[in-house]
Amino acid sequence: QKEVEQNSGPLSVPEGAIASLNCTYSDRGSQSFFWYRQYSGKSPELIMFIYSNGDKEDGRFTAQLNKASQYVSLLIRDSQPSDSATYLCAVNHQEYGNKLVFGAGTILRVKS
Amino acid sequence: EAQVTQNPRYLITVTGKKLTVTCSQNMNHEYMSWYRQDPGLGLRQIYYSMNVEVTDKGDVPEGYKVSRKEKRNFPLILESPSPNQTSLYFCASSFAGIRTEAFFGQGTRLTVV
Repeated sequence: QKEVEQNSGPLSVPEGAIASLNCTYSDRGSQSFFWYRQYSGKSPELIMFIYSNGDKEDGRFTAQLNKASQYVSLLIRDSQPSDSATYLCAVNHQEYGNKLVFGAGTILRVKS
Repeated sequence: EAQVTQNPRYLITVTGKKLTVTCSQNMNHEYMSWYRQDPGLGLRQIYYSMNVEVTDKGDVPEGYKVSRKEKRNFPLILESPSPNQTSLYFCASSFAGIRTEAFFGQGTRLTVV
């Protein structure tokens, strides 16, 4: 089992819809969870982080964390073509001394 | 402007020819690290540094060296590059105590033939 798993996609949504990106992780002791956006050919950009169970909202983005089920998700409301990118989930692995482990990413395509 | 600067952006080299990829940050960050990104494998950490003269191995350190003589610079050295080191490389930095990589450089696309 991979330490951090994401569906590679592509996930296609129409403009204005809600995009839902999911990530599961293997280390039950993980405490910190992060979402990065990476445009093609560019470097990752940190867009959200969440430490506690529940939802965290920032503008059109909502991160959701469920530690019991070991998943974290990112919702993008009112999706825009400019949101088309690869979204990387990253988790601090307590088992490995809080090392940050990245998923392989989900490609999101927002169609106008 | 706060930034992490990597050079070169693109590099094609031959097997066995030593090369250095430079990384510099202007934010006075203690923590710096190097990643490689390969299709389907995501970002994997090569080496990291908690501060000057303090470096440690990440997940895939074989074939790489680093040094941290100054706080702002963290060069990645490939003493004898091989084709399996063809990849996209990123340098990253953040303040110590922040639990993630806050800033990434623009990336270096390395091809070893």
